[in-house]
Amino acid sequence: SQKIEQNSEALNIQEGKTATLTCNYTNYSPAYLQWYRQDPGRGPVFLLLIRENEKEKRKERLKVTFDTTLKQSLFHITASQPADSATYLCALDTTSFSGGYNKLIFGAGTRLAVHP
Amino acid sequence: DAGITQSPRYKITETGRQVTLMCHQTWSHSYMFWYRQDLGHGLRLIYYSAAADITDKGEVPDGYVVSRSKTENFPLTLESATRSQTSVYFCASSVSGALANYGYTFGSGTRLTVV
Repeated sequence: SQKIEQNSEALNIQEGKTATLTCNYTNYSPAYLQWYRQDPGRGPVFLLLIRENEKEKRKERLKVTFDTTLKQSLFHITASQPADSATYLCALDTTSFSGGYNKLIFGAGTRLAVHP
Repeated sequence: DAGITQSPRYKITETGRQVTLMCHQTWSHSYMFWYRQDLGHGLRLIYYSAAADITDKGEVPDGYVVSRSKTENFPLTLESATRSQTSVYFCASSVSGALANYGYTFGSGTRLTVV
């Protein structure tokens, strides 16, 4: 079965540093991968999408890489700020398994805490 | 989130009761989804819908029923609530599978407690 792994331990970093979160998957060949941010008591918010033929995607201070050989995506936040503190979820497309319907499966998320 | 509304925000119910969670979106998105979120499991798909009158099971459908008579509404019903269905439920919508650049848009969630 498909499996997505994100580091369950919280990542604590100092303000101004780069945060790097990891998403690994097995038994899977997703056409694209998405990252979401979730704050306590709120629904996830879409951040970035990267396709299987893209190695890297950037949006402001965010950068996502996608290595289909390693079956891994890295999510980077540069010049991190306390406001970046949240849980970050990785999600994989299951279209190839679901008859063309756009369904995502999610990792459990990694909590990021940025300290002043 | 603006455009997708879940109700109620919080609900406490007794074991065996029928409960319906509501989800309404204003964008006419084709796709709608129901997820539950539990500690240690992350988000798990319960049911999804590709269009009005088209629904299908996700990863954990047992004990749940959905309907989608109108594009904008996607209610989730727990036919006979059990304690294991205590969770936070999120509804989401999406433009389409082919136009995935926008991701999913999630509601604010319903925290359901079954006692």
